[in-house]
Amino acid sequence: GAVVSQHPSWVICKSGTSVKIECRSLDFQATTMFWYRQFPKQSLMLMATSNEGSKATYEQGVEKDKFLINHASLTLSTLTVTSAHPEDSSFYICSKLTSGGADTQYFGPGTRLTVL
Amino acid sequence: GDSVTQMEGPVTLSEEAFLTINCTYTATGYPSLFWYVQYPGEGLQLLLKATKADDKGSNKGFEATYRKETTSFHLEKGSVQVSDSAVYFCALSPSDDKIIFGKGTRLHILP
Repeated sequence: GAVVSQHPSWVICKSGTSVKIECRSLDFQATTMFWYRQFPKQSLMLMATSNEGSKATYEQGVEKDKFLINHASLTLSTLTVTSAHPEDSSFYICSKLTSGGADTQYFGPGTRLTVL
Repeated sequence: GDSVTQMEGPVTLSEEAFLTINCTYTATGYPSLFWYVQYPGEGLQLLLKATKADDKGSNKGFEATYRKETTSFHLEKGSVQVSDSAVYFCALSPSDDKIIFGKGTRLHILP
Protein backbone atom coordinates (compact mmCIF):
# COMPACT_ATOMS: atom_id res chain seq x y z
CA GLY A 1 0.00 0.00 0.00
CA ALA A 2 0.87 3.65 -0.20
CA VAL A 3 3.41 4.90 2.31
CA VAL A 4 3.24 8.03 4.40
CA SER A 5 5.92 9.16 6.81
CA GLN A 6 5.87 11.80 9.52
CA HIS A 7 8.73 13.64 11.12
CA PRO A 8 9.38 13.93 13.95
CA SER A 9 7.64 11.00 15.58
CA TRP A 10 7.87 12.62 19.00
CA VAL A 11 8.64 16.19 20.01
CA ILE A 12 8.79 17.98 23.34
CA CYS A 13 8.88 21.76 23.39
CA LYS A 14 8.53 24.67 25.75
CA SER A 15 5.37 26.71 25.92
CA GLY A 16 5.44 29.61 23.46
CA THR A 17 7.61 27.95 20.84
CA SER A 18 6.51 26.82 17.40
CA VAL A 19 6.76 23.26 16.18
CA LYS A 20 6.73 22.03 12.59
CA ILE A 21 5.54 18.54 11.70
CA GLU A 22 6.24 17.10 8.26
CA CYS A 23 4.09 14.63 6.39
CA ARG A 24 5.63 12.99 3.33
CA SER A 25 4.18 10.74 0.71
CA LEU A 26 7.01 8.35 -0.11
CA ASP A 27 5.58 6.75 -3.19
CA PHE A 28 2.60 8.35 -4.89
CA GLN A 29 2.05 12.03 -5.32
CA ALA A 30 -0.69 13.41 -3.17
CA THR A 31 -2.71 16.43 -4.21
CA THR A 32 -4.77 16.15 -1.05
CA MET A 33 -3.61 15.40 2.46
CA PHE A 34 -5.50 15.51 5.74
CA TRP A 35 -4.38 16.47 9.22
CA TYR A 36 -5.99 14.88 12.28
CA ARG A 37 -5.59 15.37 15.99
CA GLN A 38 -6.11 12.66 18.56
CA PHE A 39 -6.40 13.14 22.32
CA PRO A 40 -5.86 10.17 24.64
CA LYS A 41 -8.77 7.76 24.47
CA GLN A 42 -10.53 10.01 21.97
CA SER A 43 -11.39 9.86 18.30
CA LEU A 44 -9.22 11.18 15.55
CA MET A 45 -10.60 14.61 14.79
CA LEU A 46 -10.11 16.07 11.35
CA MET A 47 -8.39 19.43 11.61
CA ALA A 48 -7.93 20.45 8.00
CA THR A 49 -7.66 19.36 4.41
CA SER A 50 -4.36 20.29 2.81
CA ASN A 51 -4.42 20.96 -0.93
CA GLU A 52 -1.26 21.22 -2.99
CA GLY A 53 -0.76 24.72 -4.30
CA SER A 54 -3.69 26.28 -2.49
CA LYS A 55 -4.83 27.23 0.98
CA ALA A 56 -5.84 24.55 3.41
CA THR A 57 -9.49 24.08 4.32
CA TYR A 58 -9.98 24.07 8.07
CA GLU A 59 -12.73 22.34 10.02
CA GLN A 60 -15.01 24.36 12.21
CA GLY A 61 -13.39 25.31 15.48
CA VAL A 62 -9.79 24.87 14.30
CA GLU A 63 -7.74 28.07 14.50
CA LYS A 64 -6.11 28.80 11.17
CA ASP A 65 -3.48 31.09 12.66
CA LYS A 66 -2.63 28.54 15.31
CA PHE A 67 -2.21 25.56 13.04
CA LEU A 68 -0.48 26.65 9.86
CA ILE A 69 -0.58 24.18 7.00
CA ASN A 70 1.61 24.37 3.93
CA HIS A 71 1.37 21.93 1.03
CA ALA A 72 4.08 23.22 -1.24
CA SER A 73 4.70 20.05 -3.23
CA LEU A 74 2.90 16.88 -4.18
CA THR A 75 4.85 14.87 -1.65
CA LEU A 76 5.08 17.15 1.38
CA SER A 77 2.61 18.85 3.68
CA THR A 78 3.66 20.57 6.89
CA LEU A 79 1.71 21.48 10.00
CA THR A 80 3.17 24.20 12.21
CA VAL A 81 1.76 24.60 15.69
CA THR A 82 2.49 28.24 16.49
CA SER A 83 3.07 29.52 20.01
CA ALA A 84 2.35 26.10 21.43
CA HIS A 85 0.73 25.72 24.82
CA PRO A 86 0.24 22.65 27.01
CA GLU A 87 -3.33 22.24 25.74
CA ASP A 88 -1.88 21.68 22.26
CA SER A 89 -0.22 18.50 23.49
CA SER A 90 -1.70 15.74 21.40
CA PHE A 91 -1.08 13.11 18.76
CA TYR A 92 -1.10 14.57 15.24
CA ILE A 93 -1.72 12.27 12.32
CA CYS A 94 -1.64 13.01 8.61
CA SER A 95 -3.03 11.04 5.73
CA LYS A 96 -2.95 11.28 1.98
CA LEU A 97 -5.71 10.70 -0.51
CA THR A 98 -4.68 8.66 -3.51
CA SER A 99 -7.51 8.19 -5.97
CA GLY A 100 -10.64 9.55 -4.38
CA GLY A 101 -13.01 8.04 -1.90
CA ALA A 102 -12.46 7.92 1.83
CA ASP A 103 -11.05 4.39 1.71
CA THR A 104 -8.11 5.56 -0.37
CA GLN A 105 -6.66 7.52 2.53
CA TYR A 106 -3.30 6.24 3.74
CA PHE A 107 -2.17 7.32 7.18
CA GLY A 108 1.15 8.30 8.65
CA PRO A 109 2.34 6.85 11.97
CA GLY A 110 1.64 10.06 13.84
CA THR A 111 3.61 12.65 15.79
CA ARG A 112 3.27 13.00 19.53
CA LEU A 113 3.63 16.60 20.67
CA THR A 114 4.21 17.40 24.32
CA VAL A 115 4.27 21.05 25.31
CA LEU A 116 5.77 21.77 28.71
CA GLY B 1 -24.05 15.49 13.26
CA ASP B 2 -22.65 12.19 12.13
CA SER B 3 -20.87 10.14 14.78
CA VAL B 4 -19.48 6.72 15.63
CA THR B 5 -19.64 4.97 18.98
CA GLN B 6 -17.58 1.91 19.73
CA MET B 7 -17.05 -0.17 22.83
CA GLU B 8 -14.56 1.00 25.38
CA GLY B 9 -11.35 -0.91 25.77
CA PRO B 10 -9.04 -2.38 26.48
CA VAL B 11 -10.31 -5.78 25.47
CA THR B 12 -8.16 -8.70 26.62
CA LEU B 13 -8.66 -12.17 25.20
CA SER B 14 -6.78 -15.41 25.05
CA GLU B 15 -5.46 -16.69 21.76
CA GLU B 16 -8.09 -18.53 19.66
CA ALA B 17 -10.97 -16.79 21.47
CA PHE B 18 -13.90 -15.27 19.60
CA LEU B 19 -13.79 -11.51 19.19
CA THR B 20 -16.58 -8.97 18.93
CA ILE B 21 -16.02 -5.22 19.01
CA ASN B 22 -19.30 -3.34 18.90
CA CYS B 23 -19.79 -0.26 16.77
CA THR B 24 -22.88 1.83 16.16
CA TYR B 25 -23.23 4.96 14.12
CA THR B 26 -25.42 8.00 13.62
CA ALA B 27 -25.62 9.46 10.16
CA THR B 28 -27.91 11.14 7.73
CA GLY B 29 -28.04 9.49 4.36
CA TYR B 30 -26.14 6.34 3.52
CA PRO B 31 -22.54 6.44 4.68
CA SER B 32 -19.79 3.99 3.91
CA LEU B 33 -18.53 2.15 6.97
CA PHE B 34 -14.99 1.09 7.79
CA TRP B 35 -12.82 -0.63 10.31
CA TYR B 36 -9.24 0.58 10.61
CA VAL B 37 -6.45 -1.09 12.57
CA GLN B 38 -3.37 0.54 14.08
CA TYR B 39 -0.47 -1.72 15.02
CA PRO B 40 2.13 -0.35 17.44
CA GLY B 41 4.33 2.25 15.80
CA GLU B 42 2.44 2.18 12.52
CA GLY B 43 -0.19 4.31 10.79
CA LEU B 44 -3.84 3.40 10.58
CA GLN B 45 -4.59 0.78 7.94
CA LEU B 46 -7.92 0.05 6.36
CA LEU B 47 -9.00 -3.38 7.58
CA LEU B 48 -12.35 -3.73 5.84
CA LYS B 49 -15.23 -1.71 4.51
CA ALA B 50 -18.89 -1.88 3.49
CA THR B 51 -20.60 0.65 1.29
CA LYS B 52 -24.28 -0.25 1.54
CA ALA B 53 -26.79 -1.99 3.76
CA ASP B 54 -26.31 -5.75 4.24
CA ASP B 55 -22.82 -5.63 2.71
CA LYS B 56 -20.28 -7.73 4.58
CA GLY B 57 -16.70 -6.56 4.66
CA SER B 58 -14.00 -9.13 5.38
CA ASN B 59 -10.24 -9.31 5.59
CA LYS B 60 -7.65 -11.35 7.50
CA GLY B 61 -10.40 -13.40 9.14
CA PHE B 62 -12.23 -10.31 10.38
CA GLU B 63 -15.81 -9.61 9.31
CA ALA B 64 -18.35 -6.84 9.78
CA THR B 65 -21.86 -6.50 8.33
CA TYR B 66 -23.51 -3.16 7.56
CA ARG B 67 -26.80 -3.29 9.48
CA LYS B 68 -28.94 -0.32 8.60
CA GLU B 69 -31.85 -1.36 10.81
CA THR B 70 -29.67 -1.35 13.92
CA THR B 71 -27.15 1.24 12.62
CA SER B 72 -24.36 -1.12 13.55
CA PHE B 73 -21.12 -2.43 12.08
CA HIS B 74 -19.75 -4.85 14.67
CA LEU B 75 -16.31 -6.35 14.07
CA GLU B 76 -15.92 -10.11 14.58
CA LYS B 77 -13.25 -12.73 14.30
CA GLY B 78 -13.67 -16.38 15.08
CA SER B 79 -10.19 -17.13 16.42
CA VAL B 80 -7.84 -14.31 17.36
CA GLN B 81 -4.07 -14.47 17.33
CA VAL B 82 -1.44 -12.63 19.34
CA SER B 83 -0.57 -10.71 16.17
CA ASP B 84 -4.08 -9.20 16.18
CA SER B 85 -3.16 -7.08 19.20
CA ALA B 86 -3.69 -3.50 18.06
CA VAL B 87 -6.09 -0.58 18.29
CA TYR B 88 -9.22 -0.90 16.16
CA PHE B 89 -11.18 2.11 14.92
CA CYS B 90 -14.70 2.03 13.55
CA ALA B 91 -15.36 4.86 11.10
CA LEU B 92 -17.81 6.23 8.59
CA SER B 93 -17.62 8.43 5.55
CA PRO B 94 -20.82 10.38 4.82
CA SER B 95 -20.46 11.11 1.14
CA ASP B 96 -17.07 12.60 0.44
CA ASP B 97 -13.46 11.92 1.25
CA LYS B 98 -13.75 12.80 4.94
CA ILE B 99 -13.76 10.15 7.63
CA ILE B 100 -15.39 10.29 11.06
CA PHE B 101 -13.73 7.96 13.55
CA GLY B 102 -14.79 6.27 16.77
CA LYS B 103 -12.53 6.51 19.81
CA GLY B 104 -10.77 3.26 19.12
CA THR B 105 -10.67 -0.02 21.05
CA ARG B 106 -7.37 -1.44 22.21
CA LEU B 107 -7.19 -5.22 21.87
CA HIS B 108 -4.71 -7.38 23.80
CA ILE B 109 -4.38 -11.04 22.89
CA LEU B 110 -2.62 -13.27 25.41
CA PRO B 111 -0.69 -16.34 24.25
